[in-house]
Amino acid sequence: EDKVVQSPLSLVVHEGDTVTLNCSYEVTNFRSLLWYKQEKKAPTFLFMLTSSGIEKKSGRLSSILDKKELSSILNITATQTGDSAIYLCAVEESAGGTSYGKLTFGQGTILTVHP
Amino acid sequence: GAGVSQSPSNKVTEKGKDVELRCDPISGHTALYWYRQRLGQGLEFLIYFQGNSAPDKSGLPSDRFSAERTGESVSTLTIQRTQQEDSAVYLCASSKWTESEEKLFFGSGTQLSVL
Repeated sequence: EDKVVQSPLSLVVHEGDTVTLNCSYEVTNFRSLLWYKQEKKAPTFLFMLTSSGIEKKSGRLSSILDKKELSSILNITATQTGDSAIYLCAVEESAGGTSYGKLTFGQGTILTVHP
Repeated sequence: GAGVSQSPSNKVTEKGKDVELRCDPISGHTALYWYRQRLGQGLEFLIYFQGNSAPDKSGLPSDRFSAERTGESVSTLTIQRTQQEDSAVYLCASSKWTESEEKLFFGSGTQLSVL
């Protein structure tokens, strides 16, 4: 059975700290790995990773994929209270051709940043 | 509308009643997903529609759950004889094959409370 596992499940830090969130996966026909941030209801897109070793960066957030280890990390530096959210990792499976594949989500990491 | 629309936004029902949740995807999006999210947890895959292919129903937790989609438009998720453990946010997302990395767009969800 395909699965996506995130760790830790929850994390509490203080403003200014750096955090590393982990995502490991076991899926057939891997196509891409995506990270989302969920603050209230609808998750919002952060990154899509397809190639190993290439870091994606957006401000204080960065992410990298290791296809050999079947994992990805999401780093947040100089955390702020506004970073408090559930961070979701999802893996897309190839459906062949140009069809969009199925997304399987991990259980998420709940990040709480205290002032 | 420009985004994925879900209705109702909140639904309170009594145990044993049937409920129907609706999702209007973004026009032209061939793929549509339903996910369930319990409080403080990740997204649990329920069902996936892709174009005219047979839907992937592998995530439906019991035969009380069913979903339909008319062509590439509206989808309804029906829960029969609701139980208290069905209480959760039900999220719908739609997508299409695109060069853009942000391929999956979520609705704001339906908060279902079963009393």
